[in-house]
Amino acid sequence: GESVGLHLPTLSVQEGDNSIINCAYSNSASDYFIWYKQESGKGPQFIIDIRSNMDKRQGQRVTVLLNKTVKHLSLQIAATQPGDSAVYFCAFPEQETSGSRLTFGEGTQLTVNP
Amino acid sequence: DAGITQSPRHKVTETGTPVTLRCHQTENHRYMYWYRQDPGHGLRLIHYSYGVKDTDKGEVSDGYSVSRSKTEDFLLTLESATSSQTSVYFCAISLGTGSNQPQHFGDGTRLSIL
Repeated sequence: GESVGLHLPTLSVQEGDNSIINCAYSNSASDYFIWYKQESGKGPQFIIDIRSNMDKRQGQRVTVLLNKTVKHLSLQIAATQPGDSAVYFCAFPEQETSGSRLTFGEGTQLTVNP
Repeated sequence: DAGITQSPRHKVTETGTPVTLRCHQTENHRYMYWYRQDPGHGLRLIHYSYGVKDTDKGEVSDGYSVSRSKTEDFLLTLESATSSQTSVYFCAISLGTGSNQPQHFGDGTRLSIL
C-alpha cells in the first residue's frame, strides 16, 4: 500500500500470478482516482482511472476497485509479466484547488520474478 | 503518447548558476505542470499553468519561476541553483479542461547541482 517514507513498499510476485496493489486516501470528497506505472528512468504512465460513481473498472489485464466506505482503492494486475515490474502509484485531485491539481501517493515497487 | 518533450534530459551544473528546463507539447493542451520527484517525497508540484501567461504556484515553488509565452512551451527556471534542487523534474499536461482528468507526463530531466 501507500506510505510516506524513504523506502517504498514492495511487492514481489511470480510471473503469471495476479498482483494487488493498494492505496488509501483520506478525503471522503475525493471523486476521481488514477493509477500510474513508472518504469525506471521514465515518466509516470497512465494506466487506468475510476470515478466515484463506480466500484470497479476493468482495462486490459488491470482492474481497479474502489471502496468509498473505507477510502481504499486497489489495482489488480492479472497474469503478471516481467514487463509489469515498475513502481505503481495512485493519484487523486485536490478538491480545494482548481487546475486539475493531483495528489500522488508514494508508490509501491512491484517486482516480477520469472 | 501525449506529445510531450522535455529538454535537456540530463544536466549537471554548479551551485549559483541559472538553469532553464523546457517542456514542449504538440497537442495544444491548456494545462501544464512542473513536478519534482525525490526519494521519500514522491511527486511534488512546483508550478502549473492554465493558459498562456497564466501560472500559479504549487507546494514547492520557492526558488523556481516559470513562464508560458505560448501554448506549446512551459519553461521552468532555477534563478540560482542550489544543491537541494538536485532532482528529477517532470512536466505533465492535462488532456481536458475539467477537474477530473488524468495528467500525462514527459520522461523527465535529471538535474544534478554540484
